Amino acid sequence: EPEVTQTPSHQVTQMGQEVILRCVPISNHLYFYWYRQILGQKVEFLVSFYNNEISEKSEIFDDQFSVERPDGSNFTLKIRSTKLEDSAMYFCASTWDRGEQYFGPGTRLTVT
Amino acid sequence: SQKIEQNSEALNIQEGKTATLTCNYTNYSPAYLQWYRQDPGRGPVFLLLIRENEKEKRKERLKVTFDTTLKQSLFHITASQPADSATYLCALLNTGTASKLTFGTGTRLQVTL
Repeated sequence: EPEVTQTPSHQVTQMGQEVILRCVPISNHLYFYWYRQILGQKVEFLVSFYNNEISEKSEIFDDQFSVERPDGSNFTLKIRSTKLEDSAMYFCASTWDRGEQYFGPGTRLTVT
Repeated sequence: SQKIEQNSEALNIQEGKTATLTCNYTNYSPAYLQWYRQDPGRGPVFLLLIRENEKEKRKERLKVTFDTTLKQSLFHITASQPADSATYLCALLNTGTASKLTFGTGTRLQVTL
């Protein structure tokens, strides 16, 4: 069964450094997302991407964040200058239409 | 303000019983309501979707109801098993948004022998 994959599974970085989180969505899906989940809290929407552009973003997704789909398979989230409060699990998701979303296993980002 | 509330942080039930989880929302007009399962340290896994014009959906031992007047969804697991122990998340796709899912805080279900 096709699945969303994410790398790395765990990333440790120092405050102020740039990180790139990578995702490979399911191949025939058209909508792509990033969510995050701070430990013990709810899953929060960051951004959605459709037709090679951002279709929606949350207040969390400020100028420090960017997304890219550099080729037909990868979908990346870049955080330019990480802060301590960016420490969280980051989930990529994809879907064929606006229905059920398929989530990856997540990347645990730890900012020290 | 907009809120999605799930009935309790934790629910403990005995194996074989029916678990009922509640999701209430305020100031949303959901096009869809979805239920996901999340195990510790893992991504959410889609379970069921119900549309605004549907009252009930079933899939094997799972049943979801949706009452847009009460602004509430109920999620039932019948004949529960210890393997059903997980956190269950309610999520809304609001009308007028592209595809943003807004999640509740989840209910942690523990099924004991």
